[in-house]
Amino acid sequence: GAVVSQHPSRVICKSGTSVKIECRSLDFQATTMFWYRQFPKQSLMLMATSNEGSKATYEQGVEKDKFLINHASLTLSTLTVTSAHPEDSSFYICSARAPRLAGGPKVTDTQYFGPGTRLTVL
Amino acid sequence: DAKTTQPTSMDCAEGRAANLPCNHSTISGNEYVYWYRQIHSQGPQYIIHGLKNNETNEMASLIITEDRKSSTLILPHATLRDTAVYYCIVRLGANAGGTSYGKLTFGQGTILTVHP
Repeated sequence: GAVVSQHPSRVICKSGTSVKIECRSLDFQATTMFWYRQFPKQSLMLMATSNEGSKATYEQGVEKDKFLINHASLTLSTLTVTSAHPEDSSFYICSARAPRLAGGPKVTDTQYFGPGTRLTVL
Repeated sequence: DAKTTQPTSMDCAEGRAANLPCNHSTISGNEYVYWYRQIHSQGPQYIIHGLKNNETNEMASLIITEDRKSSTLILPHATLRDTAVYYCIVRLGANAGGTSYGKLTFGQGTILTVHP
């Protein structure tokens, strides 16, 4: 249980275009999802917290007009990188916070991560 | 959230136990200790978490000191596939609420290399 998927896994785009990344919780409902970014040889940095049905909360220094987040359902959040530039090239990872899974181990309120999306902007 | 300190890297022989330490001396009473690992070019994988009692699951054991200022993740029989970056993270619990609730702050972690 607690599987999170991302699509696409890899995307290459031209500078100035917009790219949408989807994050889905496959076997549980997630009222809260998180978006992270990871540059080469660095750790994950939280970009924003996405709550279903409400506006996302962005971390300091993250442009909300550039990184549009939509969390329209309990199993889907999307991140759109608008007018992408080469400096936006990175590994984007989402996570979904799972409620306690019935019959499962004592995993309460734990975040599960997607496999990541590698974005390359030319 | 409290900060954590981990060694930059560790080595372990295949089949042996890997013991990964983590210091979290400023941890507060309602903060949990979480462990994740990240294999190259993949998303982090949840391993285990605990509050004050030792915990064990199919992947690992978590030993938390009585004062909660440090913990050790134990992989009982390391395999080559356990080579990864291991992150120890302290996180507020479910009853904390507020804007910091649920956030995971990743440090640099420990690069564990398992050798044949």
